[in-house]
Amino acid sequence: NAGVTQTPKFRVLKTGQSMTLLCAQDMNHEYMYWYRQDPGMGLRLIHYSVGEGTTAKGEVPDGYNVSRLKKQNFLLGLESAAPSQTSVYFCASSPGQAYNEQFFGPGTRLTVL
Amino acid sequence: GENVEQHPSTLSVQEGDSAVIKCTYSDSASNYFPWYKQELGKRPQLIIDIRSNVGEKKDQRIAVTLNKTAKHFSLHITETQPEDSAVYFCAASKGAGSYQLTFGKGTKLSVIP
Repeated sequence: NAGVTQTPKFRVLKTGQSMTLLCAQDMNHEYMYWYRQDPGMGLRLIHYSVGEGTTAKGEVPDGYNVSRLKKQNFLLGLESAAPSQTSVYFCASSPGQAYNEQFFGPGTRLTVL
Repeated sequence: GENVEQHPSTLSVQEGDSAVIKCTYSDSASNYFPWYKQELGKRPQLIIDIRSNVGEKKDQRIAVTLNKTAKHFSLHITETQPEDSAVYFCAASKGAGSYQLTFGKGTKLSVIP
């Protein structure tokens, strides 16, 4: 099993460009999450999904959109990138039951110039 | 919403000494408290967790304690080794609905050989 994978690993964008980050999991998990990690700020939840076809806002959703068309995939979109979105993005998944571990992907390092 | 405070932000210990990291949470409804370890350039990984109906949990050299009344929980690492050097994150969850985790800002632990 690959676990949780993310594509791409690195990306540089110019202000105003758009892009989509892909997260895939092969553990048949119901719940998936997108976090951003900034120095000294910990991990902050952007959006999450509790099942195929559902999405919801987390702590810092502005400037991002998400889609969960298939259970195994969770896409994070930036429609018009801004320098403030320079960060490391982590996807995570969990079985969707109480007290369950969240499994993280390897991360995507995004730089917006 | 939930707020998790983590202290200290950096911690240096001599190899073989103990390390303690403390977290407080604000929402008395939180009932699940995991700890994640993140090595440099890697993804966060769960190292230990505790539920609100348990006061202490131990796994080899690591232990976690929970004081529900005071709303704080702590990570204890004994006989530290250089491979314990990493950033440690505490988190809290209500364990219901989306099972969202609210993370502390992290503690960078350095174990000096």
